[in-house]
This record gives sequence, structure tokens and C-alpha cells, in this order.
Amino acid sequence: GAGVSQTPSNKVTEKGKYVELRCDPISGHTALYWYRQSLGQGPEFLIYFQGTGAADDSGLPNDRFFAVRPEGSVSTLKIQRTERGDSAVYLCASSASGTGGMSGGYTFGSGTRLTVV
Amino acid sequence: DQQVKQNSPSLSVQEGRISILNCDYTNSMFDYFLWYKKYPAEGPTFLISISSIKDKNEDGRFTVFLNKSAKHLSLHIVPSQPGDSAVYFCAASALRGGSNYKLTFGKGTLLTVNP
Repeated sequence: GAGVSQTPSNKVTEKGKYVELRCDPISGHTALYWYRQSLGQGPEFLIYFQGTGAADDSGLPNDRFFAVRPEGSVSTLKIQRTERGDSAVYLCASSASGTGGMSGGYTFGSGTRLTVV
Repeated sequence: DQQVKQNSPSLSVQEGRISILNCDYTNSMFDYFLWYKKYPAEGPTFLISISSIKDKNEDGRFTVFLNKSAKHLSLHIVPSQPGDSAVYFCAASALRGGSNYKLTFGKGTLLTVNP
């Protein structure tokens, strides 16, 4: 696609429920990243995929969070037993290589605003 | 522990004047710096970057200055336009440390350019 697409754009869920957030990266981009932006904060790194594998998942806050990218394209961020503190905008980004931290940076999607009530 | 700090939550300037957004960092491993611009309900978009081997990078109305000894960078927008009104994020990465894929962001500065 022309840009990074994230669905849904908004998600309201009850505390304790399971949610899945989807990211469609730019076609051909091998690197995919998930970030989380809480209110009043900048985006915080969650996980980086190079192809199908998670090259760095050190930013995932706990084991309720998991992400997959089974075919090296679309990625799904999964959150189990959601808590009110999980409320944030979840941003996905992609880059042509794993050097998105330099040159032209990443291309971000518009994010999924998750609200846990 | 904020490794990238943007100490001004907001800045207001008149159209046509210069906007100066500041950013400080504490991690000496950071050697590449980026500025992103974010409009409401959109994702951040890349604006300009600078490597630590340089002290200045210019792209049209946007110039980024880097002072390595002070661990400080700034983004200058001249002249400022109302369409520049957005949140600006400073971000850093550590290329030498092997984390060239990971960005550490500041909290952002909301710039308002008044007509």
C-alpha cells in the first residue's frame, strides 16, 4: 500500500478483555516496529521485526503483550487481560531495512487509540 | 529516566518569525538525531535528521543544529507558517551501539504559529 495502515483506528474495550491491533506496512518494507504513545508522552519502543522474526522485543512491558508477523508483512499486536493503564495510542511503523533509526527514519501509521474502561 | 528531553511543552510564535525548538539528551551512545512532526489523529512524519559527525543540517525552511559537547540540539523553522502548527518530537538512535532501528523520543513540543 501507499502508507502504513492500522486498524482499527479506535478501540474501546473492557478491563480484562483481549484485543488485537493490526498493522499493514508499506509493501516491500522488511522492517516493522510497534510503539506506544501514552498521554503526554512521546512514542515508546515496543518491538522490532525484521522479516518474520522479532529481532528485539525488549520494549514489551510484560507477558500480556505479544506480537506476530507470520508472513513478514502484516503484523498483529495482541494484548491479553487488558488493564486501564494499557490505554494509549499504539503506533506501527515500517522501513525498507532495519536502519529505520537513521536516514529518512520510519514511516508511521496513524495509530490505534486503545481505551480500556 | 528520560534520555531525550524536550523541556518546553509548548511554543507560540507569530507567522513569519523564527521558531526554535530545543532538545537535550543524556545518553552519550546516541549518535543520530531526528525530528518528527505530528498532526492530531495522524502518525508522526519524518522532518529532518542529523548525524553526530555534523553540527548542522538544512532542508528548506528547517535547520537542525547539534552541539555534541552540550548534548543539545535545536530545530529552527524560518519563516514559520500557520501550517507548521503541530507537535514536534525529537528522537535519537545509537547507530554504533547496534540499535540503529530503535528510536528514543522526547515528550514533544506543541508549536502554534499565529497568523
